Amino acid sequence: GAVVSQHPSRVICKSGTSVKIECRSLDFQATTMFWYRQFPKQSLMLMATSNEGSKATYEQGVEKDKFLINHASLTLSTLTVTSAHPEDSSFYICSAREPGQANYGYTFGSGTRLTVV
Amino acid sequence: GQNIDQPTEMTATEGAIVQINCTYQTSGFNGLFWYQQHAGEAPTFLSYNVLDGLEEKGRFSSFLSRSKGYSYLLLKELQMKDSASYLCAVRDPIKAAGNKLTFGGGTRVLVKP
Repeated sequence: GAVVSQHPSRVICKSGTSVKIECRSLDFQATTMFWYRQFPKQSLMLMATSNEGSKATYEQGVEKDKFLINHASLTLSTLTVTSAHPEDSSFYICSAREPGQANYGYTFGSGTRLTVV
Repeated sequence: GQNIDQPTEMTATEGAIVQINCTYQTSGFNGLFWYQQHAGEAPTFLSYNVLDGLEEKGRFSSFLSRSKGYSYLLLKELQMKDSASYLCAVRDPIKAAGNKLTFGGGTRVLVKP
């Protein structure tokens, strides 16, 4: 079935530094990728939607200059948290979409636990 | 706007049945998903409903009423491993926006012996 690989699974960084999270679709071409963040005991909140080769569409309230999304190829999207602060500590999950794939086209990565100290 | 409501927590006994309700008021609708998520892990797909009625898959069933903006997930013969969060998500019909999913707040189910 469709597999999405997300790395790293855990990362700890110092306040003020930047962190890059990668999301790869391993056996299919993902026309669209979604990035979510999830705080403890809360649900997934969509941050942005990215299509290959075009600019990401950010949800209301999400700072596009702080959360940089690049979708350079049909199999890779990256989320860079710039100038991270403790309040950015969260669980970040990507989801890749390819119509016709298993699970009605939505496959999730395993998530990245970001801790900013 | 999008409004998707689920109960926050539910507790049930091993072997019993639990029904998790989800009500939605969204600007568009192109199907409703249910996912299971264990703490610190990615959501896993359970079911998808786009037409009214009941979809059964083993111990899990999902129901949809589009006119009422209502769905439920039914878990039968509960097992300890079913302790997890259950997320209801509505798919946006706009293809240009990627048919994005909007999630409800999730329901934490605790199964007790």
